[in-house]
Amino acid sequence: EDQVTQSPEALRLQEGESSSLNCSYTVSGLRGLFWYRQDPGKGPEFLFTLYSAGEEKEKERLKATLTKKESFLHITAPKPEDSATYLCAAPETGGFKTIFGAGTRLFVKA
Amino acid sequence: DAGVTQSPTHLIKTRGQHVTLRCSPISGHKSVSWYQQVLGQGPQFIFQYYEKEERGRGNFPDRFSARQFPNYSSELNVNALLLGDSALYLCASSRGGALPSEAFFGQGTRLTVV
Repeated sequence: EDQVTQSPEALRLQEGESSSLNCSYTVSGLRGLFWYRQDPGKGPEFLFTLYSAGEEKEKERLKATLTKKESFLHITAPKPEDSATYLCAAPETGGFKTIFGAGTRLFVKA
Repeated sequence: DAGVTQSPTHLIKTRGQHVTLRCSPISGHKSVSWYQQVLGQGPQFIFQYYEKEERGRGNFPDRFSARQFPNYSSELNVNALLLGDSALYLCASSRGGALPSEAFFGQGTRLTVV
């Protein structure tokens, strides 16, 4: 069964303390791995799409990387405004149903 | 440019009632997907429509149905509401096409069933 699993469930950082979020997947023939940011009570906001192992994408303090089994979202020198839930998602094997992980809730303290 | 718009933003319904949620995609996007999100969980896929045809269905009962109109807007219908249907319902639009592409979400409709 296709699955997307994120860890940790929650992460508390001090401002400036870099860290990484993990997203592991068991989808065969990956046709895209998506990262989103979600603020409380709002819809997810698109961040990145990765398609092949070794690919990297960057945006401000965020960098997403992809291997054959997992993706990482690296956060460098985070600020309190980076506090949010980060979601990863992938389309099911051979179909268009998108499977989301449960998310990592990031808290950055000033 | 307008993003994805959903209406209403909040809704309170009684068990057994029916509800219709509406979504307008980003201009030029031909695909609309619907998700249910409960607190503390990731969005759960309900449907995807592309060019007015259903292209994907999640593990939801037949009480859930949807359709897409010629202008690519979409409706999600839920019949015989249960307390467990209380959730944030999200609509996402994407370009569509042969391969999955990134989705852009609306602000959601918060449905409360009492």
